[in-house]
Amino acid sequence: QQQVKQSPQSLIVQKGGIPIINCAYENTAFDYFPWYQQFPGKGPALLIAIRPDVSEKKEGRFTISFNKSAKQFSLHIMDSQPGDSATYFCAASSDQTGANNLFFGTGTRLTVIP
Amino acid sequence: GAGVSQSPSNKVTEKGKDVELRCDPISGHTALYWYRQSLGQGLEFLIYFQGNSAPDKSGLPSDRFSAERTGGSVSTLTIQRTQQEDSAVYLCASTHWGQGHEQYFGPGTRLTVT
Repeated sequence: QQQVKQSPQSLIVQKGGIPIINCAYENTAFDYFPWYQQFPGKGPALLIAIRPDVSEKKEGRFTISFNKSAKQFSLHIMDSQPGDSATYFCAASSDQTGANNLFFGTGTRLTVIP
Repeated sequence: GAGVSQSPSNKVTEKGKDVELRCDPISGHTALYWYRQSLGQGLEFLIYFQGNSAPDKSGLPSDRFSAERTGGSVSTLTIQRTQQEDSAVYLCASTHWGQGHEQYFGPGTRLTVT
């Protein structure tokens, strides 16, 4: 079963818009929540990550909002640009397992129209 | 510096044949992961290697899948008696233990089973 649920599956916004991608999880042992960006033909690359001790983290135009009680987190892209068009994956992992393998959402294909 | 490399980039094989996929992690990275990316399914964890410890094989979908890591560096994922449902992109990632969870991904091997 999918341990991390992601929505929407696809998203189209105009340049300058603020796309929002949402993820939800059930496993309360998860303690690391990264977002990966993937361009066609490339492997995913880490964009930004958050731990449960903070409710928000911002890096440049990318912001993660984290709601521990609701077990949800989201990615906001401010002033989106056509170059942001890619597939975005949320993920989660836990130190407790020792392996730290990532459980990924199913991805959101973002298109930013010029 | 050099990132994670994978070979081949594309592999087409006939159903029932065995295939080997190779991953060269970033030099000095002690942990190595294999994931499978199927269309619309996100990334699925397969196996994890950490130093000289026994690998975590909990994500392997069947006994037709196996992997080894020689000398703590290069890893090979082997799929025996390939089936059409094995068609996917196989991604390798590495990380340096103790420096957080960031996993660096290779570009993947696209496997097509005909």
